[in-house]
Amino acid sequence: AQRVTQPEKLLSVFKGAPVELKCNYSYSGSPELFWYVQYSRQRLQLLLRHISRESIKGFTADLNKGETSFHLKKPFAQEEDSAMYYCALSRGFGNEKLTFGTGTRLTIIP
Amino acid sequence: GAGVSQSPSNKVTEKGKDVELRCDPISGHTALYWYRQSLGQGLEFLIYFQGNSAPDKSGLPSDRFSAERTGGSVSTLTIQRTQQEDSAVYLCASSLAAAYNSPLHFGNGTRLTVT
Repeated sequence: AQRVTQPEKLLSVFKGAPVELKCNYSYSGSPELFWYVQYSRQRLQLLLRHISRESIKGFTADLNKGETSFHLKKPFAQEEDSAMYYCALSRGFGNEKLTFGTGTRLTIIP
Repeated sequence: GAGVSQSPSNKVTEKGKDVELRCDPISGHTALYWYRQSLGQGLEFLIYFQGNSAPDKSGLPSDRFSAERTGGSVSTLTIQRTQQEDSAVYLCASSLAAAYNSPLHFGNGTRLTVT
């Protein structure tokens, strides 16, 4: 069965410093990976997905199949980045459900 | 337009009672998901609907849990004979198509407390 691991429950970073939220997965096939974010008093929402190769709000994530990782990065943290971040995996075509990690709460220190 | 709507937003019930949680997905979304978020845990998949059928019920924790979806729209998650370990936030999400290809849109959740 697939599994998503986010080793950091809490992460504090100073404003302007680089951010890296770690995500590792276990799945033998070719997964689709996602990052979802929940800002304070807002709904959980999609931040970015591997298949789109996009950068959203300055965040990027590269799928490293050798290390089975999909770490989320941003070069310069902003206060509005404070939120709960969840990494998620889908087994890809033919599979409908997302498997989520336990999440990392990111706090940006002004 | 309106997002995914869940009701009630909060529910406190006594152990042993039955509860029903409701989800109104975004109009036109064919896929509907139920997840559970317990304290300190990630999002635990419960069940997935495509239209009115549930191809994947693998996440339902026990036979006390059931869900249905009618008219390809509203879904109800029912928990019978609630136990304290059922206390959690129950999240509903909908998407245009399967999750790997279409983002999930989440509701605000129902916070269930079993006393």
